[in-house]
Amino acid sequence: NAGVTQTPKFQVLKTGQSMTLQCAQDMNHEYMSWYRQDPGMGLRLIHYSVGAGITDQGEVPNGYNVSRSTTEDFPLRLLSAAPSQTSVYFCASSSTPGPPPDTFGSGTRLTVV
Amino acid sequence: SQQGEEDPQALSIQEGENATMNCSYKTSINNLQWYRQNSGRGLVHLILIRSNEREKHSGRLRVTLDTSKKSSSLLITASRAADTASYFCATDGGGGSNYKLTFGKGTLLTVNP
Repeated sequence: NAGVTQTPKFQVLKTGQSMTLQCAQDMNHEYMSWYRQDPGMGLRLIHYSVGAGITDQGEVPNGYNVSRSTTEDFPLRLLSAAPSQTSVYFCASSSTPGPPPDTFGSGTRLTVV
Repeated sequence: SQQGEEDPQALSIQEGENATMNCSYKTSINNLQWYRQNSGRGLVHLILIRSNEREKHSGRLRVTLDTSKKSSSLLITASRAADTASYFCATDGGGGSNYKLTFGKGTLLTVNP
């Protein structure tokens, strides 16, 4: 039982490049979400999903796309990377659709130069 | 904008002492959670308290919630060096929007051996 797995752990992008951050969970959780963590800002919700085929925007969705084709996977796509997207990204999942996330991945540290 | 705000921003104590961290929030909530984050790691869910609860215990953790003051406190008793971490409170939006978590900026707790 691996929990929530994020890949890659580290990534450096050039401005304008696109990439996908991967997130997978093996706990059959319906609810998954993406957060970014910036110094002194706490975590902010980017996008979330309450089940396969259903996604919605969080607090800071601009510049990011998500899809949820399966229960297990919830990839986050950066369309055209900007330095402002330099951050640590966390994927999370929850065992029920109601209460908030109880399992977080270990994070992806992204630097956009 | 940040819903939860932790206080203090940093706290340094000696092993064996108690540590108290406070969280204030702005709007009505369904639940309030506390998370721990060790340096460079993902978040670990500690405890959830519902809006109709006033106090909750889990091991050495005690959480209180005062909805009239829109505040919560996390008490860690008999602290250990391994408790050194950042602690975040997080609230869901209330009014049915309980999928969206809003995090505070965190309290950095250092427990000196």
